[in-house]
Amino acid sequence: EPEVTQTPSHQVTQMGQEVILRCVPISNHLYFYWYRQILGQKVEFLVSFYNNEISEKSEIFDDQFSVERPDGSNFTLKIRSTKLEDSAMYFCASGTTSASTDTQYFGPGTRLTVL
Amino acid sequence: GQNIDQPTEMTATEGAIVQINCTYQTSGFNGLFWYQQHAGEAPTFLSYNVLDGLEEKGRFSSFLSRSKGYSYLLLKELQMKDSASYLCAVRPYGQNFVFGPGTRLSVLP
Repeated sequence: EPEVTQTPSHQVTQMGQEVILRCVPISNHLYFYWYRQILGQKVEFLVSFYNNEISEKSEIFDDQFSVERPDGSNFTLKIRSTKLEDSAMYFCASGTTSASTDTQYFGPGTRLTVL
Repeated sequence: GQNIDQPTEMTATEGAIVQINCTYQTSGFNGLFWYQQHAGEAPTFLSYNVLDGLEEKGRFSSFLSRSKGYSYLLLKELQMKDSASYLCAVRPYGQNFVFGPGTRLSVLP
């Protein structure tokens, strides 16, 4: 069964450094998402992406964040200057449509630790 | 805005039935979803409800009542591997997922 993959599984970085989290969505999916989950807290929506542009973003997704689909398979989340509070699990998800009845399939996540 | 409430923790015995409740306040949504999340892993899709009523899927069933702002996930014949967090989520009209805080279920032998 096809699945969403993410790399790396763990990333440790120093505060102020840039990180790029990578995702390979399911191949026939057209809608891509990033979520984060701070330890012990709920899953929070960051951004959705379709047709090479952001379709929606949350208030968490400020100017420090950017997303890109550099080729036909990868979908990346960049954090330009990491802060301590960026430490979280980051989940990529993908779906076939944007319909509200369509589920999204999550990748295994990248655990980001900012020191 | 949207607000979703779930019990923080529940405990049940292997082989038993457990019901995990979810209440929400939202201006409107198309679908209510349930996800399972094992510690340190990604959420995995369990079920969703669009219409009021019960949706059955093997050992898992989910119920929705829009008039009461209420859903529940029913797990039957509990197994140890069902120990996980269960996330209730809605997709408000034109928006992406809003997740509840999750209910951590512990299944005891």
